Amino acid sequence: DAGITQSPRHKVTETGTPVTLRCHQTENHRYMYWYRQDPGHGLRLIHYSYGVKDTDKGEVSDGYSVSRSKTEDFLLTLESATSSQTSVYFCAISTQSGQGYEQYFGPGTRLTVT
Amino acid sequence: SQQGEEDPQALSIQEGENATMNCSYKTSINNLQWYRQNSGRGLVHLILIRSNEREKHSGRLRVTLDTSKKSSSLLITASRAADTASYFCATASNTGANSKLTFGKGITLSVRP
Repeated sequence: DAGITQSPRHKVTETGTPVTLRCHQTENHRYMYWYRQDPGHGLRLIHYSYGVKDTDKGEVSDGYSVSRSKTEDFLLTLESATSSQTSVYFCAISTQSGQGYEQYFGPGTRLTVT
Repeated sequence: SQQGEEDPQALSIQEGENATMNCSYKTSINNLQWYRQNSGRGLVHLILIRSNEREKHSGRLRVTLDTSKKSSSLLITASRAADTASYFCATASNTGANSKLTFGKGITLSVRP
């Protein structure tokens, strides 16, 4: 599992409140990603990071911000949660195999915004 | 927008049968990958096939890639109940470490004991 943990694993929050999800990895991978998974949409990239303090937007970045102050931690923040952000959030790292770059995923965080 | 589109959306087979899942994509790729997701878990990487390859095998998995048709197939032979999961194809447009993956919506495979 490439030593990836996510916290919390489950969270229920109210509309308008800020929420921060944490992804922690223990193997010093440079590239980290945040995805959301929704029925009928598969996985969609929110933000990604290619090093400490280096981040960029993905396909569905509106309403989300990220920070990476240490190699091992990649934080996803919903500044003011909305019901449309109810989803399962996955963190991933990218690592090179002999063939190319593969991604390894954390266990996910199920977020419900009421 | 989704790059990969899997087909069928859902597949139900008997244990011991083969399962074939298809993926189509729209733009040129460097490689295509298949992932499995068990219920309530994260995705697990299964196999990667590069754009200059036509077929790869890994255990009971066989992947083919037809770049002229922009399509790939994943064959699971002699299926087991433990193969019940969702399967996703993902495409990478370049070879570097910064290459992002674009995932399809997934195929739900049910293997009946």
